Amino acid sequence: GAVVSQHPSWVICKSGTSVKIECRSLDFQATTMFWYRQFPKQSLMLMATSNEGSKATYEQGVEKDKFLINHASLTLSTLTVTSAHPEDSSFYICSASPTSGVSGGYFGPGTRLTVL
Amino acid sequence: GDSVTQMEGPVTLSEEAFLTINCTYTATGYPSLFWYVQYPGEGLQLLLKATKADDKGSNKGFEATYRKETTSFHLEKGSVQVSDSAVYFCALTRGTDKLIFGTGTRLQVFP
Repeated sequence: GAVVSQHPSWVICKSGTSVKIECRSLDFQATTMFWYRQFPKQSLMLMATSNEGSKATYEQGVEKDKFLINHASLTLSTLTVTSAHPEDSSFYICSASPTSGVSGGYFGPGTRLTVL
Repeated sequence: GDSVTQMEGPVTLSEEAFLTINCTYTATGYPSLFWYVQYPGEGLQLLLKATKADDKGSNKGFEATYRKETTSFHLEKGSVQVSDSAVYFCALTRGTDKLIFGTGTRLQVFP
């Protein structure tokens, strides 16, 4: 099946620094990519939807200046957590939808961010 | 707004037991319904889906039927294995790939 990768899989950073997380579709082109956040023992919450070549659409309550999303190509989207704080510690998951359209998309393995 | 409610876990079963994980939804119109599975240390994988009322999704011995009258999409398996231990998420989408997830149910199967 289709493969979506995320890098890094785990990152620890100091409070106040910025962290970039990459999401790549390895064997298909993704017009749309989604970024989710998962808290321990909780569900995935959609943060934003990114379309290649255009600005991301953020869900209500998500700070667009804090969580910068770039979808520069049909195979790569990045999420940058700026000026990270301990409360940003979480599991960040991306999903990608092929240009052909597949309901539900394909998910990456996730990135665990720990902010000290 | 749209929402998905799952039974709380963990669900603990012995190998070869029958599994049911309940899922109900609230949505306008006719959503598509999904079950995703997340094995330890891995990303979410689509397990099965159903796109209209009375559809039955099935995969790897798991089944779920889209019941519009009860707004439910319960996951079932007749005989679970230790390898089925994972977290199972029920989800819906309405016409787009924007998924709304339930809180997940952890399944633990013991030999």
